[in-house]
Amino acid sequence: AAGVIQSPRHLIKEKRETATLKCYPIPRHDTVYWYQQGPGQDPQFLISFYEKMQSDKGSIPDRFSAQQFSDYHSELNMSSLELGDSALYFCASSLVAYEQYFGPGTRLTVT
Amino acid sequence: AQTVTQSQPEMSVQEAETVTLSCTYDTSESDYYLFWYKQPPSRQMILVIRQEAYKQQNATENRFSVNFQKAAKSFSLKISDSQLGDAAMYFCAYRSAVKDTGANSKLTFGKGITLSVRP
Repeated sequence: AAGVIQSPRHLIKEKRETATLKCYPIPRHDTVYWYQQGPGQDPQFLISFYEKMQSDKGSIPDRFSAQQFSDYHSELNMSSLELGDSALYFCASSLVAYEQYFGPGTRLTVT
Repeated sequence: AQTVTQSQPEMSVQEAETVTLSCTYDTSESDYYLFWYKQPPSRQMILVIRQEAYKQQNATENRFSVNFQKAAKSFSLKISDSQLGDAAMYFCAYRSAVKDTGANSKLTFGKGITLSVRP
């Protein structure tokens, strides 16, 4: 069965640089979620999209933005990167009322 | 706001034995969903089991079952016949009932519990 695809899997950036993370949800899933998991932490919700419209917003810094495109893939854009942004970023998808399936994550390291 | 609490940071079980992982949550909502996710060393988040709050019957998936006590706001995971591959971090998660705008569908996680399996 098709799974959630995230790219890149690993990303190394320097402080103040910009990063773009991509997510390709499971086909026919209508909702995409982004979560951030710091070292030794639980995943924290950032933002979600339902049918290409933002549906919820969590503790997402103003330096981050996201969108969902017409083909349902989503991108998380992160600017002015800080050391504290180093984390595992998960994308998940679902049919909105059902369980969420997670991608493998993008490991972002900011140096 | 809803909160999820996993008070045991670590647990250990002998292979083939049974172990129960605890989770409590706080909410004022009557309609919601609870989940257990497994995160092995690969860091992949894997759905283990799901429970709808309106269902009295406890969910079961093969060796995994839950004890859902709605009044006590408790949601524990029982793993029977533990296997070496069960060693992982386990997260309990809460999700509200979803609005028709798609809002309210985010997951709120507990801090997780690290389960080790002794051969």
